[in-house]
Parts: sequence; C-alpha cells; structure tokens
Amino acid sequence: DAGVTQSPTHLIKTRGQQVTLRCSPKSGHDTVSWYQQALGQGPQFIFQYYEEEERQRGNFPDRFSGHQFPNYSSELNVNALLLGDSALYLCASSLRTAHTEAFFGQGTRLTVV
Amino acid sequence: AQSVTQPDIHITVSEGASLELRCNYSYGATPYLFWYVQSPGQGLQLLLKYFSGDTLVQGIKGFEAEFKRSQSSFNLRKPSVHWSDAAEYFCAVGALYSGGGADGLTFGKGTHLIIQP
Repeated sequence: DAGVTQSPTHLIKTRGQQVTLRCSPKSGHDTVSWYQQALGQGPQFIFQYYEEEERQRGNFPDRFSGHQFPNYSSELNVNALLLGDSALYLCASSLRTAHTEAFFGQGTRLTVV
Repeated sequence: AQSVTQPDIHITVSEGASLELRCNYSYGATPYLFWYVQSPGQGLQLLLKYFSGDTLVQGIKGFEAEFKRSQSSFNLRKPSVHWSDAAEYFCAVGALYSGGGADGLTFGKGTHLIIQP
C-alpha cells in the first residue's frame, strides 16, 4: 500500500502565477482533504472532496479551488499566487462512512517568489 | 467555532524522563480528537485517536492520551521518552458526519519537543 502520495514534492512559482498540486489517496479511501501549513504553524483546513464534490470548506478565498476525479484522486489549484501562499500543502485521505482517521501525505512545499 | 489550544510552544525533556503535552479544545458537540507527530519537512503521522468509549487511549510508540470532557482536554503522555521522539506534535479536533467519516480537522499550533541527552 503506497499510502497517500502527493506531487510534486517541491516547486517554485512567481507571484501572480497559477499552480496545480496533485494527490492520490490511500487505497480504499474515498475522501480527500487539503490543508495549508505555513512555517511554524499547524495545518489549516482548506476543503474536502467526496464523490467529486466539495463537501466542506475552510476559511480560504476563491483563489483556492479543487477537483476530485472518479478514481478519488484530487487536485488543488491556486490562482493569482501571493507571497503568503508559500507553505507546505498537505493532502489527507479517509473513508467517508467509517470511524477512521485521516492519513496524510508527505506534502508539497510551494515557494512563491 | 471549534478551536484547539496547545499552550506549550516548546518543551525540553531529558531522555528517559516522562512527558506530558497539553491540549485543550473548544467544540460544541462530541469531539473526535487526534494527536499527530511531524518530523522536519515531513507529513503527519497519527499517534492516537479518540472517537468514543474508554477515555484513556493507547497509541503507537508508547504514547497514550486521556480525554477529560469536564476539562475539555486531551493531554498526550509518555512514561519514558527516547531521543527519536524529538519532533513537532499536533493536537486536532474534528466531528463526524451523520453518515460516518470525519470532517476537516482543526489543528493546534503544535508543540516542539526537544530531547536532552
């Protein structure tokens, strides 16, 4: 079992650009959540996808959007990047209908310059 | 709104000594509580979770935590720490959907654990 996999591991973008991050959930999981972790802070919930729909959203602007595919994988898109978007982006997967914890990937380190 | 407070930003413990990391939460319903550990530049690994039942839960690596509803606390403990326990520790709270799985988690800011030889 490969667990939760995220790509890319690192990337550098320029202010104003757009970025897409990808996540493959743990085998058997159907729900994907995305978190932003700024340096020295705890992760902050961005949104959660289940059955290809956004089910819950944290306090993030519309520049942050996502998608879930039929195979349960997911993408996080961020438009009009700001310097403050520099962070570790974590993907977590879980099973909607069970009392299970979320399993986290290793994250994507995004640097905006 | 739910929130998690980890009052200790840094804690230094001697190897072999006992450890307690504090976590207080604010949540309107019955919470689901978690402790995660993060090594530098890595993702989060689950140490233990509380969903219901026995308020003392056992986790991996010799960790345990006790849920105290009256104090809104979920403190993490370990009787004897090892140098490899040095890491960042996060407490988190969530809620169940009516159908089962957990919603997005609210995390504390973390406690950085330093182990002295």
